[in-house]
Amino acid sequence: EAGVTQFPSHSVIEKGQTVTLRCDPISGHDNLYWYRRVMGKEIKFLLHFVKESKQDESGMPNNRFLAERTGGTYSTLKVQPAELEDSGVYFCASSRGSPGTGELFFGEGSRLTVL
Amino acid sequence: AQSVTQPDIHITVSEGASLELRCNYSYGATPYLFWYVQSPGQGLQLLLKYFSGDTLVQGIKGFEAEFKRSQSSFNLRKPSVHWSDAAEYFCAVAAMEYGNKLVFGAGTILRVKS
Repeated sequence: EAGVTQFPSHSVIEKGQTVTLRCDPISGHDNLYWYRRVMGKEIKFLLHFVKESKQDESGMPNNRFLAERTGGTYSTLKVQPAELEDSGVYFCASSRGSPGTGELFFGEGSRLTVL
Repeated sequence: AQSVTQPDIHITVSEGASLELRCNYSYGATPYLFWYVQSPGQGLQLLLKYFSGDTLVQGIKGFEAEFKRSQSSFNLRKPSVHWSDAAEYFCAVAAMEYGNKLVFGAGTILRVKS
């Protein structure tokens, strides 16, 4: 069974540019999560999809971030325009159930560097 | 607000020595508790979890953790560390009253010296 895959593994862009990160969850996992880790800090929740619906987007930092999950399969996270403070590692995770009932499987992360 | 504290940013132990990584949380009720590990170039992998019942839980790779309600702690232990255990370890909690989102600690980097 394939795990959670994320693309690209590393992206370097200039301030003001746009970047789109992609996450392919494990097949059959309705729950998809985005997390972010800024250098040396905690891994922080961004948002949670159940199928194609946004269940919780309370962690999204501002309206420069747009997440989608069309058809309830893969998800994209777009940052437009990117700012320096957006640099970090963006993790995607998927599960059959919520953290209280089902294990989250994480991808390797997409490292974003904004210059 | 809920929070998770891992007081040790770095820990170095000798191969074969015992290990304890500390984790304290601040929540109103008993949350779900987790330990994850991230090895270089890998995603986060679940080591173990506590939901209820026996406060000593066993995980993969020979790790165990003990939930102590009175101390709001969930420390991770291993009796004998192997060089392959060198990685970053994250404690995390989730609680139903906060939408079951995982809240992570800042991580502890484990170095193993031979």
